[in-house]
Amino acid sequence: EAGVTQFPSHSVIEKGQTVTLRCDPISGHDNLYWYRRVMGKEIKFLLHFVKESKQDESGMPNNRFLAERTGGTYSTLKVQPAELEDSGVYFCASSPRTGATYNEQFFGPGTRLTVL
Amino acid sequence: AQKVTQAQTEISVVEKEDVTLDCVYETRDTTYYLFWYKQPPSGELVFLIRRNSFDEQNEISGRYSWNFQKSTSSFNFTITASQVVDSAVYFCALSIYYGNKLVFGAGTILRVKS
Repeated sequence: EAGVTQFPSHSVIEKGQTVTLRCDPISGHDNLYWYRRVMGKEIKFLLHFVKESKQDESGMPNNRFLAERTGGTYSTLKVQPAELEDSGVYFCASSPRTGATYNEQFFGPGTRLTVL
Repeated sequence: AQKVTQAQTEISVVEKEDVTLDCVYETRDTTYYLFWYKQPPSGELVFLIRRNSFDEQNEISGRYSWNFQKSTSSFNFTITASQVVDSAVYFCALSIYYGNKLVFGAGTILRVKS
């Protein structure tokens, strides 16, 4: 079974440009999460999709960030326009949705974003 | 609000030494889940363990063991007889009820030298 994949693995852009990160969750996982780790600090939650709906977007830093999950499969996270402080590693995670006990979140390898 | 503190930024040990990674958490919720993840040089976060707030039993898995103490709000992780392959960043995390977001600590870099 394929794990969570993220594309690209690295992205270097100039301040003011637009970047789109993509996450493909594990097949059948309804829950999809985005997290970000900036400058060796803690990994911080950005938002949570259940299928195509945004369940919790309390961690989104500002309106320069737009996340979508059309069709409830893969998700994209667009940063427009990018600022220097957006540099970091963006992680995606997915988990199945069941009524049972806690389901672990499976993480992708992350996308390292560098804004110059 | 929830918070996780990993006070040790970086630890260096020599192979075969035992090492303990500290994790202290804060939450007002009575039901919560605690996790440890490992981030090897390849970058992905690898799930190691989950404990729920009602289960304070310590757990051992091979060279890994975890000590959960609600009285001190700690969930410490010990690696016995460390190996070079244990070198990684280790994250402690907290979540309240299932399906919810993870709150991570800042991570501890573990360097195991041969």
